[in-house]
Amino acid sequence: GNSVTQMEGPVTLSEEAFLTINCTYTATGYPSLFWYVQYPGEGLQLLLKATKADDKGSNKGFEATYRKETTSFHLEKGSVQVSDSAVYFCALADTNAGKSTFGDGTTLTVKP
Amino acid sequence: GAGVSQSPSNKVTEKGKDVELRCDPISGHTALYWYRQSLGQGLEFLIYFQGNSAPDKSGLPSDRFSAERTGGSVSTLTIQRTQQEDSAVYLCASSLVALAGAETQYFGPGTRLLVL
Repeated sequence: GNSVTQMEGPVTLSEEAFLTINCTYTATGYPSLFWYVQYPGEGLQLLLKATKADDKGSNKGFEATYRKETTSFHLEKGSVQVSDSAVYFCALADTNAGKSTFGDGTTLTVKP
Repeated sequence: GAGVSQSPSNKVTEKGKDVELRCDPISGHTALYWYRQSLGQGLEFLIYFQGNSAPDKSGLPSDRFSAERTGGSVSTLTIQRTQQEDSAVYLCASSLVALAGAETQYFGPGTRLLVL
């Protein structure tokens, strides 16, 4: 079956540091890949997505590239802010079915 | 607002009681999903509905769990004879179309269930 493995947290960074959260997946076919974010006290929301190999999703300074050869979708940001503190979830959606598979989430804390 | 809404926001119940959790998806969204998020864990898929098709129930953990969607809109997740291990946040999401695979899911705020 499908699976998503995320870098374990929690991750603590200083403001303006570089962020990488690793995500690898196992899937049959060609899934779509997503990063969702859950800010404190808020619901899950889409951060970015990519639907095919070599696509790059980007939003709010975050980027992730769909790498089929390494089955990865690592999340990066060049300079994090305190407001980026949240839980980040990597997910894949099977193109032949509706359900998505989520990673366990990575908690990011950014200190001023 | 126009987002996904869930009720109640919190539910405390005694072991062995039945509970019903409600989800109102975004108007016009044909796909609806239920997930469970236990403390410190990721999202566990439970069930999804797509239009008038038979729901995918493959994620339901036991026959104590069931869900229905009336009129292609509101959905109710029912847990019978609740157990302490059912304590979790239950999330509902909706999207325009499920089978396209790339559709963004819009999540509700969740129902926090505590079984004593």
